[in-house]
Amino acid sequence: GAGVSQSPSNKVTEKGKDVELRCDPISGHTALYWYRQSLGQGLEFLIYFQGNSAPDKSGLPSDRFSAERTGGSVSTLTIQRTQQEDSAVYLCASRGGVTDTQYFGPGTRLTVL
Amino acid sequence: SQQGEEDPQALSIQEGENATMNCSYKTSINNLQWYRQNSGRGLVHLILIRSNEREKHSGRLRVTLDTSKKSSSLLITASRAADTASYFCATGLPNDYKLSFGAGTTVTVRA
Repeated sequence: GAGVSQSPSNKVTEKGKDVELRCDPISGHTALYWYRQSLGQGLEFLIYFQGNSAPDKSGLPSDRFSAERTGGSVSTLTIQRTQQEDSAVYLCASRGGVTDTQYFGPGTRLTVL
Repeated sequence: SQQGEEDPQALSIQEGENATMNCSYKTSINNLQWYRQNSGRGLVHLILIRSNEREKHSGRLRVTLDTSKKSSSLLITASRAADTASYFCATGLPNDYKLSFGAGTTVTVRA
């Protein structure tokens, strides 16, 4: 089926505004991850959902960041009161079955002015 | 903090040459994976090697793992312009489905 999709592909916002980023995982994948990648850097883990279990939020950098996953499928990452340091590419990945491989979406490039 | 660190940070080679990059990590792992990223967007999974494996091949890719030295290498043979990308190693820890990524190696293949 289709791969992981993310929307929007690009988002420009003003400092202090809230933004919502969406991820549609591969159908049937029970695990979903959010990562952040700043310019020229590696991926920074943000949050992990696995089925109906409580999410692993250990990577969220502040309480301005939150995420939810409705119906075990689509996930939304919300950043409140955005700051310029939030500018980055936000990547979503999903994983299914017993494989350790993660399948990534194309990312959302967030620019906070 | 990042578990894996790639070396070198950047690599420029001529088309047809081989490209080798290394990854070192700090703690015991369950598996190590290599991903490719084009133009700063989505990552593509290349190969996974488990902690009890020493070498794996996939097409023009060869990955080795030395758990005693906590290091891995990725070899791309007969490079092509399309191999120009950033390459990341990611480590999977025991009983943890999160991956820890390094900062990547940027490979440029000159025509």
